[in-house]
Amino acid sequence: DGGITQSPKYLFRKEGQNVTLSCEQNLNHDAMYWYRQDPGQGLRLIYYSQIVNDFQKGDIAEGYSVSREKKESFPLTVTSAQKNPTAFYLCASTAGQGGNEQFFGPGTRLTVL
Amino acid sequence: GENVEQHPSTLSVQEGDSAVIKCTYSDSASNYFPWYKQELGKRPQLIIDIRSNVGEKKDQRIAVTLNKTAKHFSLHITETQPEDSAVYFCAVLGMDSNYQLIWGAGTKLIIKP
Repeated sequence: DGGITQSPKYLFRKEGQNVTLSCEQNLNHDAMYWYRQDPGQGLRLIYYSQIVNDFQKGDIAEGYSVSREKKESFPLTVTSAQKNPTAFYLCASTAGQGGNEQFFGPGTRLTVL
Repeated sequence: GENVEQHPSTLSVQEGDSAVIKCTYSDSASNYFPWYKQELGKRPQLIIDIRSNVGEKKDQRIAVTLNKTAKHFSLHITETQPEDSAVYFCAVLGMDSNYQLIWGAGTKLIIKP
C-alpha cells in the first residue's frame, strides 16, 4: 500500500513520557519527512531528511527529535518537552528532493492522557 | 518565506456540478504546484500537479490551472461524484525554504446527493 508504513496506528502516552513513532519505506527514496496534522488544519513540517545521517528542522521541530541511520527508516521521537503532542502524525518520502510526488504512510494518531 | 492561502475552507456542491478550489502563493520563483486529496482517516494522495512551464493540466474530471503572473493556481473538478468528498490540499515548492513543500490549510469538499 504505497511502500511506506508507520506504526503503531494508535498510540497513547502519559504526560512526561517520551514516545517513538516508526516510519519505514521500501521505495528506495532518498528524502523522508514528518508532518503533524491537527483537526481542520493543513500539514506542518516537523523534520525532514534528504540523505542518510542528515536531517533538518522544519517549522515546528521543538519537542521532537529524529534519526536517519538507514535509508529506509526515519523514526520520530515525541519528547516530554512537546507541550501539546496529541495529533495525527504523517510520514512521507519522495524520490530526489523537492518537486516530486510525496508518498505518505497511513499515519499514527497519538493521544496524550 | 513562502505563504500559501487556500480558499474556500469548505465547499458544498450538488452531485454532478463542478467544484473549484483556489490557492495563492507569494514567491514568484516557485515552480511546482501539487494537489493532494485526503479522505477521512486516510493518508493524503497526489491527484494532480503542475509545473511552472505550463498553464493547464487535465486528467479526466480533474484539471489544474496556473496563473504565474497573478501567483495563483486552481483545482477544477467536473461532474462531481460522492467519492470526491474529501479534504483537498494545495502545496507549493518553496524556493526559500530549502525546496520543501509549503501546504495550504485545506478545503473540505462536500458532495450533496
